Amino acid sequence: DTGVSQDPRHKITKRGQNVTFRCDPISEHNRLYWYRQTLGQGPEFLTYFQNEAQLEKSRLLSDRFSAERPKGSFSTLEIQRTEQGDSAMYLCASSLGANDRYTFGSGTRLTVV
Amino acid sequence: DAKTTQPTSMDCAEGRAANLPCNHSTISGNEYVYWYRQIHSQGPQYIIHGLKNNETNEMASLIITEDRKSSTLILPHATLRDTAVYYCIVRAAGGGGADGLTFGKGTHLIIQP
Repeated sequence: DTGVSQDPRHKITKRGQNVTFRCDPISEHNRLYWYRQTLGQGPEFLTYFQNEAQLEKSRLLSDRFSAERPKGSFSTLEIQRTEQGDSAMYLCASSLGANDRYTFGSGTRLTVV
Repeated sequence: DAKTTQPTSMDCAEGRAANLPCNHSTISGNEYVYWYRQIHSQGPQYIIHGLKNNETNEMASLIITEDRKSSTLILPHATLRDTAVYYCIVRAAGGGGADGLTFGKGTHLIIQP
């Protein structure tokens, strides 16, 4: 069990630029989740996948956000035309199935300047 | 609407038991109580979960009241490394996405030397 890996750990970008984050889940885990966390708040659900199918998207996920999990393994989260309000920690988690515990990565901290 | 209520912060002396309360008065029969913690700059870490019986693992014990309206997480011998934000989460069986892990603000537990 190598855990959930996220890359990069930190990203600073200028407003209006596009950014992409990657998440590598635990290899046998079918479910993959994306969360966003701002300072002083708990993580907020964004979207999740069962294998390659994106099953649910939060209202927080505006049309500037897109997530993919093309082969049911790693996932990417892209933010287009970044805004200062997008500055947050983006967390990825995976689980073996619907009833199993989530294992989180260490997150990608995005700063939009 | 928040499903759980936790104190904002708590202190505990190193070596003593840390008892973290959580109220979940509207919990449904098929909903589990989960506890996660988040150490600064890391992703949340699973601690323990239960349905109605008390549970114990290598990290902690979970005591759920008979009416299931509240629970207590017990760290038996707190160390400085247990300083973290602790999240109590109510989750339906099979819940994913918005019905999966929904985090509140948690309890900031500070272990004092």
